[in-house]
Amino acid sequence: GAGVSQSPSNKVTEKGKDVELRCDPISGHTALYWYRQRLGQGLEFLIYFQGNSAPDKSGLPSDRFSAERTGESVSTLTIQRTQQEDSAVYLCASSLLLAGNYEQYFGPGTRLTVT
Amino acid sequence: GEDVEQSLFLSVREGDSSVINCTYTDSSSTYLYWYKQEPGAGLQLLTYIFSNMDMKQDQRLTVLLNKKDKHLSLRIADTQTGDSAIYFCAESYNQGGKLIFGQGTELSVKP
Repeated sequence: GAGVSQSPSNKVTEKGKDVELRCDPISGHTALYWYRQRLGQGLEFLIYFQGNSAPDKSGLPSDRFSAERTGESVSTLTIQRTQQEDSAVYLCASSLLLAGNYEQYFGPGTRLTVT
Repeated sequence: GEDVEQSLFLSVREGDSSVINCTYTDSSSTYLYWYKQEPGAGLQLLTYIFSNMDMKQDQRLTVLLNKKDKHLSLRIADTQTGDSAIYFCAESYNQGGKLIFGQGTELSVKP
């Protein structure tokens, strides 16, 4: 079956513009996560959706960042008024979250460059 | 607070063992993970260990956990050039919870 997919794979935008990044999780996975990886850094947690529970937004760096998830399917991460420090690879992961299967499967990421 | 530290680089010769180290600060972490990231490829889970375990072995990989010192290590036996990648240590408080990552160790394997 298909893995986690993300689009676009690359996005170049001008400072101050809004961007939307899309994640399609593995079908049937109830949990979805967004992370950010700046150049030469580890991954930083941004937000986590699990089923119908309220999302864990504790990692969002500012109110310019928001994310939505429709049911247990696609998620969109939106960055408003982009800044140069938002340049990074944005990674999405999904997980089945059933007994014995909690692995997070990562997508290939969206490389965002803010000029 | 949440903090995971790793050394940034490790260079070994093909056939030697590699040991990648990680320290974490939060004693409430219950699950600890090792991920591998290769250029052009996604992040891949290599192995994980529960905090009530001291050691886990999986083929060429051995994970050692010292809870007292909050130290985690990944040993790769008979390291091959194909093992060259960035290795990330990560922790979480519960199964399926958010992952807190270290900054990654770049492993270079020389023939």
